Amino acid sequence: EAGVAQSPRYKIIEKRQSVAFWCNPISGHATLYWYQQILGQGPKLLIQFQNNGVVDDSQLPKDRFSAERLKGVDSTLKIQPAKLEDSAVYLCASSFHLEETQYFGPGTRLLVL
Amino acid sequence: QKEVEQNSGPLSVPEGAIASLNCTYSDRGSQSFFWYRQYSGKSPELIMSIYSNGDKEDGRFTAQLNKASQYVSLLIRDSQPSDSATYLCAVNRFTGGFKTIFGAGTRLFVKA
Repeated sequence: EAGVAQSPRYKIIEKRQSVAFWCNPISGHATLYWYQQILGQGPKLLIQFQNNGVVDDSQLPKDRFSAERLKGVDSTLKIQPAKLEDSAVYLCASSFHLEETQYFGPGTRLLVL
Repeated sequence: QKEVEQNSGPLSVPEGAIASLNCTYSDRGSQSFFWYRQYSGKSPELIMSIYSNGDKEDGRFTAQLNKASQYVSLLIRDSQPSDSATYLCAVNRFTGGFKTIFGAGTRLFVKA
C-alpha cells in the first residue's frame, strides 16, 4: 500500500512570496490533515478535511493560508504572502476515518528568507 | 495551560532499561490517544493507540490510560539505542468539534 505522498520535499522562498504544497493521501482515506511543525515543537493542526469538507480550520491563519481538497482526494495548501515565521515543516496526514490512526507523509521543509 | 503536556526531556536511560514517558491532557471529553515516534528529520510514525482505561501492550511497548486523572503514558521495556527519538503524545478532542492535539514531545536518549 502506497503511503502519503507530498511535494515538494524542500522549498526556499523569500518573504512575501507565495508557495504551494501538494498532498496525495493513502487510497481510500476519507480524512486528510495538514500540520505545521516548527523545530522543537509538536505538530500543530492547521486544517482537516473529511472527504472534501472542512472539519476544522480554527488554527489556519486565513489571511495568508488557504487549503482545498476539491475532489475529496488530493489537497493543496497555499501560503500567500509568506512570512519569516512560516519557516517550518508542513506535514500532511490521512486516516481512514475521523478519530482513527493518522499516517504521515514525508513533509515539506519550507525556509522563508 | 497547554491542552496536551509532555516533559520535553531529554530523558536519558541506559540500554536495556525501562523508559517511561508521560502525557497529561486538559479536555475530559477526549476519547482517543496515540503515541507517535519521530526520528530527527523524519515524520511521526504510530507506536501505539489506546481508547479505554488500562494497559495495552504491543511487544516492548505498553501504553497506559487513566481518564479520571487525564493521564496517558508509554513504557518502553528493554530500551535500545534505536529507540532514541522524540515521542509525541496525541489526543483526539471532541469538545467544540473534533480536533487532534499533539504535545511538544519528549526526547529520549538510550545510551549503549
